[in-house]
Amino acid sequence: GENVEQHPSTLSVQEGDSAVIKCTYSDSASNYFPWYKQELGKRPQLIIDIRSNVGEKKDQRIAVTLNKTAKHFSLHITETQPEDSAVYFCAARVTSGTYKYIFGTGTRLKVLA
Amino acid sequence: KAGVTQTPRYLIKTRGQQVTLSCSPISGHRSVSWYQQTPGQGLQFLFEYFSETQRNKGNFPGRFSGRQFSNSRSEMNVSTLELGDSALYLCASSEGREGSPLHFGNGTRLTVT
Repeated sequence: GENVEQHPSTLSVQEGDSAVIKCTYSDSASNYFPWYKQELGKRPQLIIDIRSNVGEKKDQRIAVTLNKTAKHFSLHITETQPEDSAVYFCAARVTSGTYKYIFGTGTRLKVLA
Repeated sequence: KAGVTQTPRYLIKTRGQQVTLSCSPISGHRSVSWYQQTPGQGLQFLFEYFSETQRNKGNFPGRFSGRQFSNSRSEMNVSTLELGDSALYLCASSEGREGSPLHFGNGTRLTVT
């Protein structure tokens, strides 16, 4: 069935270090992969996304890479800051004639000052 | 543009009761999706509506139902509430086209006692 696995579930890094979160999806028809950041008590907010015809996308300190063959995609945050502390969710948009997103179980990132 | 609006923000119900949650999407967005968020489970897809039609449904029992009105506003209903239904229910709207991202509301936190 459709599934997105996300690792790690928690991640602690020192301020200024890099953080990497990895996701694997099962549905080869998936063609759009957004990442959401959810701060405590707030709504998930889109931070970056990538489409299946692109291998990498970067936006300032955030980048996402996609390996379609291996069905992996990853979020990279460089020069982490305390305000990056949040829960991050990856998602894969299932097409197969439907429009729904399957989310990973989330990664709680703590940036230690 | 105003964001996605969900009402109410908080609800406390007892087992066996039913509840209706409301979601007003971003103006112009015709797709509304519903997700259940619980600790450790991430976001679980409930269903998605587009132009008043349910396009896809997740793996939830029939006690969970929804509908969408001609103005794209959506409601979700849960009947015969169980303790395990306690969760944050998130609504997300999108244009509903290929690769259009989800925009989430602040959610309705439902507590079943």
